[in-house]
Amino acid sequence: DTEVTQTPKHLVMGMTNKKSLKCEQHMGHRAMYWYKQKAKKPPELMFVYSYEKLSINESVPSRFSPECPNSSLLNLHLHALQPEDSALYLCASSQSGTGSSGANVLTFGAGSRLTVL
Amino acid sequence: GENVEQHPSTLSVQEGDSAVIKCTYSDSASNYFPWYKQELGKRPQLIIDIRSNVGEKKDQRIAVTLNKTAKHFSLHITETQPEDSAVYFCAASINNAGKSTFGDGTTLTVKP
Repeated sequence: DTEVTQTPKHLVMGMTNKKSLKCEQHMGHRAMYWYKQKAKKPPELMFVYSYEKLSINESVPSRFSPECPNSSLLNLHLHALQPEDSALYLCASSQSGTGSSGANVLTFGAGSRLTVL
Repeated sequence: GENVEQHPSTLSVQEGDSAVIKCTYSDSASNYFPWYKQELGKRPQLIIDIRSNVGEKKDQRIAVTLNKTAKHFSLHITETQPEDSAVYFCAASINNAGKSTFGDGTTLTVKP
């Protein structure tokens, strides 16, 4: 299995809803990432988990809460989002964890397209 | 922090022509430079990468060059085909830092 799988593909939620995005990889990769991508813009890093520990939080608002239950799974819990949070949320993984030698070659999932009403 | 500038923002070529996309970076500690291709509605996919101890790397019709002194790197696509049409992102990162800084992207259109 050489893929990163994300669910759901599409999500529509209201500003008071609580929802979660899920990401899974079975490549034995040691780092997993959440990126946010707006239309016609590059991916923006949100969080990095390395060896199941949060290693980078790019000052993301607390209405986004990441969770890494095990080395293969990464969740992003969403609560009280704003319409401007509507975007494509990309999960990625890399073989190397942060602090390990070797380049962080990213394998991206197909993304979850989030619309906040 | 790292800043990556990418040019041009749009590029239109005839099928069979070459395409060149250029990026500059600011942090001299950056030592890994990947290029991603993102087709409309799809995920970014790594197409080629280069590390700072190498000046050039080639994979069939795609090549990347790196000038560490000038802090710039370029993507070269030869014999372009319509299926090369996509948005291309360059990125720069420090090997094991876990952070990739992306350029703003180049929309390449290859006309048949």
